[in-house]
Amino acid sequence: EAQVTQNPRYLITVTGKKLTVTCSQNMNHEYMSWYRQDPGLGLRQIYYSMNVEVTDKGDVPEGYKVSRKEKRNFPLILESPSPNQTSLYFCASSPRQPSYYGYTFGSGTRLTVV
Amino acid sequence: AQRVTQPEKLLSVFKGAPVELKCNYSYSGSPELFWYVQYSRQRLQLLLRHISRESIKGFTADLNKGETSFHLKKPFAQEEDSAMYYCALSPLGGGTSYGKLTFGQGTILTVHP
Repeated sequence: EAQVTQNPRYLITVTGKKLTVTCSQNMNHEYMSWYRQDPGLGLRQIYYSMNVEVTDKGDVPEGYKVSRKEKRNFPLILESPSPNQTSLYFCASSPRQPSYYGYTFGSGTRLTVV
Repeated sequence: AQRVTQPEKLLSVFKGAPVELKCNYSYSGSPELFWYVQYSRQRLQLLLRHISRESIKGFTADLNKGETSFHLKKPFAQEEDSAMYYCALSPLGGGTSYGKLTFGQGTILTVHP
């Protein structure tokens, strides 16, 4: 089944403890992206990648890192998580530029930082 | 910079009534507009995109460049339409912004029986 897979689905961590949320897609999509969803703020784009080794900042990149070493994977790294990064995170992918195709979204990762 | 505004956080209608979810945008270039839907406990799904002029589940949306709007409409709402709806904008021919897709704050639609 064609899909975007994120792990874990739920994560509780403590302030300052580095963590990685994985994202994988099996559709050979070129573009991948990370979003966070917060009540009243909608979805805000964190980072996106246009292909292997090509990434760019979205609207809220502070406190996050990404890498795209393989086409199918696009992990989100929080080097030193803080409570304001408690959120619902979505990974997404698109076959070509999302201006035509839009993004296909994963199921989400609910992160709590205490 | 691009911006998408959905002025209504909540919208309630009765089954069979027409529904319109508002979306306004600001972008200096040529935008491509989308509507996404998120049903309870499900992932975000693409509902329709302006570029393909399609109608999904009875929903349509017209791009009005003069009013910079892309409102979503359905003539007869159904209970299963109850969900969160997001309007989104991506720049066409965006160069380094090719991967950007900016969302509004979302509107929760509730269709009462």
